[in-house]
Amino acid sequence: EAGVAQSPRYKIIEKRQSVAFWCNPISGHATLYWYQQILGQGPKLLIQFQNNGVVDDSQLPKDRFSAERLKGVDSTLKIQPAKLEDSAVYLCASSLVISGVSPLHFGNGTRLTVT
Amino acid sequence: SQQGEEDPQALSIQEGENATMNCSYKTSINNLQWYRQNSGRGLVHLILIRSNEREKHSGRLRVTLDTSKKSSSLLITASRAADTASYFCATDTTRGSNYKLTFGKGTLLTVNP
Repeated sequence: EAGVAQSPRYKIIEKRQSVAFWCNPISGHATLYWYQQILGQGPKLLIQFQNNGVVDDSQLPKDRFSAERLKGVDSTLKIQPAKLEDSAVYLCASSLVISGVSPLHFGNGTRLTVT
Repeated sequence: SQQGEEDPQALSIQEGENATMNCSYKTSINNLQWYRQNSGRGLVHLILIRSNEREKHSGRLRVTLDTSKKSSSLLITASRAADTASYFCATDTTRGSNYKLTFGKGTLLTVNP
């Protein structure tokens, strides 16, 4: 099966600019996650979708981050305006069901550098 | 704050040796999962152990879980250079419909040929 696709792979922007990341999950996976991984740390959940509805966005900085999952398939994550501390790898993951026994499948991520 | 904390932060061994990584957590869990991340790539699921299980095997991987000590260990036997990666534990602390999977900071394993 095709894996989780993410683009772009790398992005360099200046602070206060905006940026968007795209994710295409594994076909048939109902649940989609966006994680932020700062260098040397584990992934931190930003937002979780079940089909096209938000399940958990408690750790999403809503003043600058937004995400949507139209038609319950692809998803985009946007940052506007970006800050230096947003430099990180943004990982998208999907799972078959929203359940702890359904493992997450990750894309290779987008490495964002904010200068 | 992180639910799971891996120990050690970094581990360097020779090919053929065994590697052991530990994970400690704070609150009760439904299950614990281990993931591997190669440099510049996404995480890959390795193994899941449920809270009522004590040990699980998958190929060269052996995972143990001690819920009384709130700790887990991942053993990789007969390591290979290709095992060089970061390893993360993730704890499932889902309550009701509030699904929650939290990752630790990871152990960076280097296997020298």
